[in-house]
Amino acid sequence: EPEVTQTPSHQVTQMGQEVILRCVPISNHLYFYWYRQILGQKVEFLVSFYNNEISEKSEIFDDQFSVERPDGSNFTLKIRSTKLEDSAMYFCASSGSGVSDEQFFGPGTRLTVL
Amino acid sequence: KNEVEQSPQNLTAQEGEFITINCSYSVGISALHWLQQHPGGGIVSLFMLSSGKKKHGRLIATINIQEKHSSLHITASHPRDSAVYICAGPNFGNEKLTFGTGTRLTIIP
Repeated sequence: EPEVTQTPSHQVTQMGQEVILRCVPISNHLYFYWYRQILGQKVEFLVSFYNNEISEKSEIFDDQFSVERPDGSNFTLKIRSTKLEDSAMYFCASSGSGVSDEQFFGPGTRLTVL
Repeated sequence: KNEVEQSPQNLTAQEGEFITINCSYSVGISALHWLQQHPGGGIVSLFMLSSGKKKHGRLIATINIQEKHSSLHITASHPRDSAVYICAGPNFGNEKLTFGTGTRLTIIP
């Protein structure tokens, strides 16, 4: 069964460093998402991506964040200069036809900023 | 902005009991998602529904669009159902999902 994959599963970085979180969505899906879950808190929407551009972004998704689909398979989230408060689990998801369609989630990347 | 609230926040029940988790949202939505988050953190989509009722095995989800309310039911609950159950809904016209805080379900053998 097709699945969304994410790498790495755990990333430890120093404050101020850049990190890139990688996702491989399901191959025939068109909509891609990044979510964040700080430990003990609810899942929060970061950004949605469709047709090679951002379709929605939250107030969390400031200039430190960017997303890219550099080739036909990968979908990346870059944090330019990490802060302590960026420590969280980051989930990638994809769907075939948008937010009114079932979303398939990756296993998540746990980011720890020291 | 869509506000999504769930109740209860925590639920402990004996194996075999019928479980109900509730979700209310504040604005009209195109579809509501029910998700399951395992103890290890992974998230699985259970249902996406825009009207009526859906059933998958022992899980049933219902939605009342007029009342802006959805319920997730588990029949014949089992310890392996222990997880956090999350509902999430978008606003009409955009791709942003708003998540509830989740209901932590523990089923005791």
